[in-house]
Amino acid sequence: GIQVEQSPPDLILQEGANSTLRCNFSDSVNNLQWFHQNPWGQLINLFYIPSGTKQNGRLSATTVATERYSLLYISSSQTTDSGVYFCAVQRWGTDKLIFGTGTRLQVFP
Amino acid sequence: KAGVTQTPRYLIKTRGQQVTLSCSPISGHRSVSWYQQTPGQGLQFLFEYFSETQRNKGNFPGRFSGRQFSNSRSEMNVSTLELGDSALYLCASSLSAGTGQETQYFGPGTRLLVL
Repeated sequence: GIQVEQSPPDLILQEGANSTLRCNFSDSVNNLQWFHQNPWGQLINLFYIPSGTKQNGRLSATTVATERYSLLYISSSQTTDSGVYFCAVQRWGTDKLIFGTGTRLQVFP
Repeated sequence: KAGVTQTPRYLIKTRGQQVTLSCSPISGHRSVSWYQQTPGQGLQFLFEYFSETQRNKGNFPGRFSGRQFSNSRSEMNVSTLELGDSALYLCASSLSAGTGQETQYFGPGTRLLVL
């Protein structure tokens, strides 16, 4: 089956710093989503981004489907950005999400 | 519009018991999927339902089952609980008929502890 890898596994930043999270996938996909899991466990949608670039405030994401990777950029980090970031991919014909192993981000004041 | 809701939020059971978890999708969403999250295995797909039909099933034993009702609400059941079933169970809903082209929205999850 398709493999989804994320890097780095852990990231520690000071408030105000920028960061880039990477998601690599081993086969063609129909869709890619980025999620932020808050300390209470809820997965919050960040981006639906099968290809191209999107921006939402301090966050932006780029997916290069032909090269099988996606990047999530976080600028001017805040403590509220702490948590685990997951990317997840979908194949054609199913809602099944295949998740990566996540990047745990800790932002300190 | 209300989000995906899951009940109960927390549950403690003992080995050998069974448990039923409930998920109500966003109004108008007809597709519901379930995931199990554990520290060791990460987020793993359990089932996918659309219009009361199971469209896809993950690699879990037969003790894990689910169903979807005509109002799109879904339940999952785990029988003969084992310690390893302790996990966060997450439900997601989407509009689609399983095209893989729709955003998935997640509920807050049910934390199950098996003693």
